[in-house]
Amino acid sequence: ETGVTQTPRHLVMGMTNKKSLKCEQHLGHNAMYWYKQSAKKPLELMFVYNFKEQTENNSVPSRFSPECPNSSHLFLHLHTLQPEDSALYLCASSQDPRDSHLIFGQGTRLTVV
Amino acid sequence: TQLLEQSPQFLSIQEGENLTVYCNSSSVFSSLQWYRQEPGEGPVLLVTVVTGGEVKKLKRLTFQFGDARKDSSLHITAAQPGDTGLYLCAGAGTPLVFGKGTRLSVIA
Repeated sequence: ETGVTQTPRHLVMGMTNKKSLKCEQHLGHNAMYWYKQSAKKPLELMFVYNFKEQTENNSVPSRFSPECPNSSHLFLHLHTLQPEDSALYLCASSQDPRDSHLIFGQGTRLTVV
Repeated sequence: TQLLEQSPQFLSIQEGENLTVYCNSSSVFSSLQWYRQEPGEGPVLLVTVVTGGEVKKLKRLTFQFGDARKDSSLHITAAQPGDTGLYLCAGAGTPLVFGKGTRLSVIA
């Protein structure tokens, strides 16, 4: 248990499905992140939220839609994904965006069929 | 664009052996972190090095930050199966810059 909890741990979805990934932390952190981890690539930062406000969107396709209703919860809504979107999606949190000490969740292993 | 190159990409060794993995960049970083990611888990921070030439020890793991703060190494003494995992280095920045990692397998 790292303090950052992601659900589900595994997800298989078709290209026409809509699903959501959930992340929550009760560490009192104000910044939350979504990362994508694919084989043979560095961790790719997707989105950053600070105090519920999105501060970074790294040119992520619109088929990925983040939502941060409060500083403890973060969602990633998925729709009409492609097989190349299959990856491990990691949520992380830190005290604030300048704090480099990230606490990661266990990730959601996503397979798009 | 800041890049971190990690080598080797894969490493498989016998229990009890020593090993060193590297993290190199052409850019200067104010600090550098090492994370370990075990299979099926998220990365966990092991150490942050800040000062050029700094050496930090964590049990059998020794981390060194290059004098010019462009590179770092991780040395493991007497590796154990529990050391198996993906070792990631990350350079300070907003956001952090991650390398691709070194995947280590320690065979009993």
